[in-house]
Amino acid sequence: AQTVTQSQPEMSVQEAETVTLSCTYDTSESDYYLFWYKQPPSRQMILVIRQEAYKQQNATENRFSVNFQKAAKSFSLKISDSQLGDAAMYFCATAGGTSYGKLTFGQGTILTVHP
Amino acid sequence: DAGVTQSPTHLIKTRGQQVTLRCSPISGHKSVSWYQQVLGQGPQFIFQYYEKEERGRGNFPDRFSARQFPNYSSELNVNALLLGDSALYLCASSFLGSGANVLTFGAGSRLTVL
Repeated sequence: AQTVTQSQPEMSVQEAETVTLSCTYDTSESDYYLFWYKQPPSRQMILVIRQEAYKQQNATENRFSVNFQKAAKSFSLKISDSQLGDAAMYFCATAGGTSYGKLTFGQGTILTVHP
Repeated sequence: DAGVTQSPTHLIKTRGQQVTLRCSPISGHKSVSWYQQVLGQGPQFIFQYYEKEERGRGNFPDRFSARQFPNYSSELNVNALLLGDSALYLCASSFLGSGANVLTFGAGSRLTVL
């Protein structure tokens, strides 16, 4: 069984500043993957970043990076140099290596970016 | 290249009716997953199909069914609609069926049950 918890229903940040979104998870899988997805008002879920749990190195994608703490089962997302287009709902999710396309999502964090 | 396409984008049904939602995966993708997203919540897994076979099923009643066609497109059917079935239904595709593969999502079908 897998669970994902996002404890921040809403976050806000000033344009050009940095914000961190929190996520904790629990899984019975030994091989698993972690994801952050972004869902703007257009509804389409867009992958932001992906982390393989067997890798110790934190994933980065341009202005987006994660802090993956495997022992603590924590997977936070840092957005640097925030832009107005970053405003969206952000979902943390996990999938087992053999879970056949089943993602378990958290409840989401609404990010507001102020100009 | 076309992304994951879903139809219809919006629809309104009444309680007790049946609905069919359609999904076309990205060309070359063999796996399709369906998710239900109730307003203000994260998506919940309903089904996954890979190579036309059901590979996973979430905690949804038997009123929910799906299938995948030889061209890898998929349909989600919901019978005997309830008010609680009102949600955004998301389809996602990936090349393979394992959790290692990144899912690409469509824009969803918004179902309102009156």
